[in-house]
Amino acid sequence: QKEVEQNSGPLSVPEGAIASLNCTYSDRVSQSFFWYRQYSGKSPELIMSIYSNGDKEDGRFTAQLNKASQYVSLLIRDSQPSDSATYLCAGGGTSYGKLTFGQGTILTVHP
Amino acid sequence: DAGVIQSPRHEVTEMGQEVTLRCKPISGHDYLFWYRQTMMRGLELLIYFNNNVPIDDSGMPEDRFSAKMPNASFSTLKIQPSEPRDSAVYFCASSFGTPGNTIYFGEGSWLTVV
Repeated sequence: QKEVEQNSGPLSVPEGAIASLNCTYSDRVSQSFFWYRQYSGKSPELIMSIYSNGDKEDGRFTAQLNKASQYVSLLIRDSQPSDSATYLCAGGGTSYGKLTFGQGTILTVHP
Repeated sequence: DAGVIQSPRHEVTEMGQEVTLRCKPISGHDYLFWYRQTMMRGLELLIYFNNNVPIDDSGMPEDRFSAKMPNASFSTLKIQPSEPRDSAVYFCASSFGTPGNTIYFGEGSWLTVV
């Protein structure tokens, strides 16, 4: 199993809908989790970080972490065409581990 | 505050030539990372430093790749000799505290080897 795996995508949703992005991780990646957004031709930029079980909300974005099931998700409410990008899930390893990135999910929000 | 600064932004070189990519991390950050991104392999960690010392270079693809960090504000990634399969976007990133903390990426160096 890869350390961090994302649902394959690509994902297409209509404007105004909820976009749901999912990520699962292995035991070696368990301390800290991040969602990055990457526009085409640009560098990844941090959207959310989450460290504890449960939900964390920031504007239209909600990150959810379930350590028992080893998954982390990102919900984007009221999706906008400007949300169209690749979303990268990343996990930090135990103790001294570096971040490991998933392959990314391409999201397209169509008007 | 200035973010991570990389140069060059774009480079086109011929196979066999030496390529040097440069990076200035965010001031005060003690971790520096070099990533490579391709469509096929996604974002791969090549090497990372802590306080200028290489900690994990297991992602460096082969001996043609080398990285240095002579001081806290500068790092280089060198490819010698370059090959077409090295064509990719190379990102430098930095973080503070632990390598599992939020990392901040530079804008990337787009390398094409012909």
